[in-house]
Amino acid sequence: EPEVTQTPSHQVTQMGQEVILRCVPISNHLYFYWYRQILGQKVEFLVSFYNNEISEKSEIFDDQFSVERPDGSNFTLKIRSTKLEDSAMYFCASSEVIRSGGGYTFGSGTRLTVV
Amino acid sequence: TQLLEQSPQFLSIQEGENLTVYCNSSSVFSSLQWYRQEPGEGPVLLVTVVTGGEVKKLKRLTFQFGDARKDSSLHITAAQPGDTGLYLCAGMKSGGSYIPTFGRGTSLIVHP
Repeated sequence: EPEVTQTPSHQVTQMGQEVILRCVPISNHLYFYWYRQILGQKVEFLVSFYNNEISEKSEIFDDQFSVERPDGSNFTLKIRSTKLEDSAMYFCASSEVIRSGGGYTFGSGTRLTVV
Repeated sequence: TQLLEQSPQFLSIQEGENLTVYCNSSSVFSSLQWYRQEPGEGPVLLVTVVTGGEVKKLKRLTFQFGDARKDSSLHITAAQPGDTGLYLCAGMKSGGSYIPTFGRGTSLIVHP
């Protein structure tokens, strides 16, 4: 079964450093998403991406965050200057269509630890 | 942002028992999804319900969407240890974007 692949599985970084989280969505999917889940809290939407541009973003997705699709397969989330509170699981997801009832496939996540 | 309340927050039961978990909101949803998440993994979509009153079955799991499309339930019959996990509901607000908003989840442990 097709899957969304995320790398690395675990990233430890010093506060103030830049990190790039990588995702390979399912090949025929057109819509891509980043979510995060702080330990013990709910899954929170960060941003959606379609046709090489951001289609929607949450208030969490401030100027410290950016997304890019640098080639035909990768989808990246960059955090410019990490803060302690950025520590969380970051999930990439993709979907073939965007509509009510549409299904999302999530990756296994990257656990980001900011020290 | 609509609030999705899931209950109970935690559930610990013995193998073979039945259980129901709930997802409630004051908002109307165009659709609602149920996911299961295991520790260290991403959510895995179980089902999407779209029509008010809709019932969907997935083996021992029965999902129901409320008539008013504001709530949903997940019933598991004869729970097994493999059912252990975090059950999340996620709703797409009617007339809003197609980005699902998640509840906090129900953490289920099924003891052998």
